[in-house]
Amino acid sequence: ETGVTQSPTHLIKTRGQQVTLRCSSQSGHNTVSWYQQALGQGPQFIFQYYREEENGRGNFPPRFSGLQFPNYSSELNVNALELDDSALYLCASSSDGAGSSYNEQFFGPGTRLTVL
Amino acid sequence: GNSVTQMEGPVTLSEEAFLTINCTYTATGYPSLFWYVQYPGEGLQLLLKATKADDKGSNKGFEATYRKETTSFHLEKGSVQVSDSAVYFCALSDELGGYSTLTFGKGTMLLVSP
Repeated sequence: ETGVTQSPTHLIKTRGQQVTLRCSSQSGHNTVSWYQQALGQGPQFIFQYYREEENGRGNFPPRFSGLQFPNYSSELNVNALELDDSALYLCASSSDGAGSSYNEQFFGPGTRLTVL
Repeated sequence: GNSVTQMEGPVTLSEEAFLTINCTYTATGYPSLFWYVQYPGEGLQLLLKATKADDKGSNKGFEATYRKETTSFHLEKGSVQVSDSAVYFCALSDELGGYSTLTFGKGTMLLVSP
C-alpha cells in the first residue's frame, strides 16, 4: 500500500510568483486536507477536498486555491506569493470526509516552500 | 474556536529519564485527541489517539489519557531513548459543519542525550 506522497520536496520562489504543489493520496482515500506549517509552529488547516469539491476551508485568503482530481490526488495553488508564505506544506489523506465523524488523517512528508 | 496549548520546549532529558509533555485544550463538544510526532525533515506521524473521556492511548511506550475534567491530554513515557528526539504535537479533531479536520498545538521539541 502506497502512502501519501508530495512533490516537489523543496521549492524556491520569489515574491509575486505563483506556485503549484502536488499530493497523491493513500490508496482507498477520497479526502485530502492541506496544512501550512510555519517554522516553529504547528500545522494550520488550509482547506479540504472531498470527491473533487472543496469541503471546508480555514482562515486563508482566496489566493490559496486547490483542486482534486478523479483519482483523488490534489493540488495546492498559491498566487501572488508573499514572504510569509514560506513554510512546510503538508498534505493529509483520509476516507469519507464529508458529513462523517473524524477519520484518521495520514500525512505526507511535505513540501518546503521558500519565498525570497 | 477550538485550541490546543502545549508546554514550550525544548525539553532536554538524558536517556532513560521519565518524560511528560503537557497538553490542554479548549473545545466545544467532544473532540478526539491525538499526539503526532515529527522527526527532522519529515512529515507528521500519528503516535497515539483517544476518542472519548478516560480513554488511554498508547504506542511505543508512550501513553496519554483523555481527561475531560481537566481538559488535558498529557504525553508520558517511562524511559526515553535518543531515538525519541523529535517534535511532538498535540491535536484535536474539529467537527465543522459536515467535515472534520485537526487543530494543532505549537509543538514541543524533545532532545534526548546519551
